[in-house]
Amino acid sequence: GAVVSQHPSRVICKSGTSVKIECRSLDFQATTMFWYRQFPKQSLMLMATSNEGSKATYEQGVEKDKFLINHASLTLSTLTVTSAHPEDSSFYICSARGVREDEKLLFGSGTQLSVL
Amino acid sequence: LAKTTQPISMDSYEGQEVNITCSHNNIATNDYITWYQQFPSQGPRFIIQGYKTKVTNEVASLFIPADRKSSTLSLPRVSLSDTAVYYCLVGDPWEAAGNKLTFGGGTRVLVKP
Repeated sequence: GAVVSQHPSRVICKSGTSVKIECRSLDFQATTMFWYRQFPKQSLMLMATSNEGSKATYEQGVEKDKFLINHASLTLSTLTVTSAHPEDSSFYICSARGVREDEKLLFGSGTQLSVL
Repeated sequence: LAKTTQPISMDSYEGQEVNITCSHNNIATNDYITWYQQFPSQGPRFIIQGYKTKVTNEVASLFIPADRKSSTLSLPRVSLSDTAVYYCLVGDPWEAAGNKLTFGGGTRVLVKP
C-alpha cells in the first residue's frame, strides 16, 4: 500500500556541515509534500510545502536559504539543512498525499537530527 | 484554516474507553476532520477521518455533531500501547491549501495498567 518513506531516521553531524533528508512516496505519486519540524514535547510545526517541479513555499519565519527543499520528481522530495548548528537539532517529518480524492495525508517516520 | 482546541492530557486505564473532544468553531463547509496518533520519535499515523455524524473503523470511532463545531474521537478498550499523543486536524483534503494541515497542541493520552 501507499507509504511515505523517510531517510535517514537519525543523523548526527558536526556544526557547520550540511545534512540531506529524503522523503519518498511509495506506490503513489505526490505532487505536493510537506516538511515539519518538531521539538521535544511540542507539536509539529509546518516548515514548508514542496511542489514538484517548482519552488517550495516556506512558512513565515523559516529561512529558505537554511532549509533547501528540492522536489525533482513525483516521488521524491529532499530537505537539506545547510550549515547546521546545534539549534537546528530537531525531529524533522515529511508528509505527502496521493492524487486520488479519497487518499489521506501520510507521514514519514521522521528524522532525528542532532548537531554537535 | 480552522484552529483546533484539545485537552492537553488525559489519563486512563487499560480496558477503558477514551473519548477526546476537539473544538473547531471556525470549521469551513468543505473541511474534514482527521485524527492522527503519534508515538515518540515517530511520524503521525492516520486514525480516522470524517465529515459529519459518525464514522467507525477497526480502531476508533469519530462522532461529529450536526453543527460540526466539535468532534470526539473514541478509542474503545484502550491498552498500554495506546499511550500516545493524539492530534485533531481540520482542513479540506481536496484543496491544495487544505493539504497544508496545521497541527494544534494535541492530547497526550496516558494509559495506566
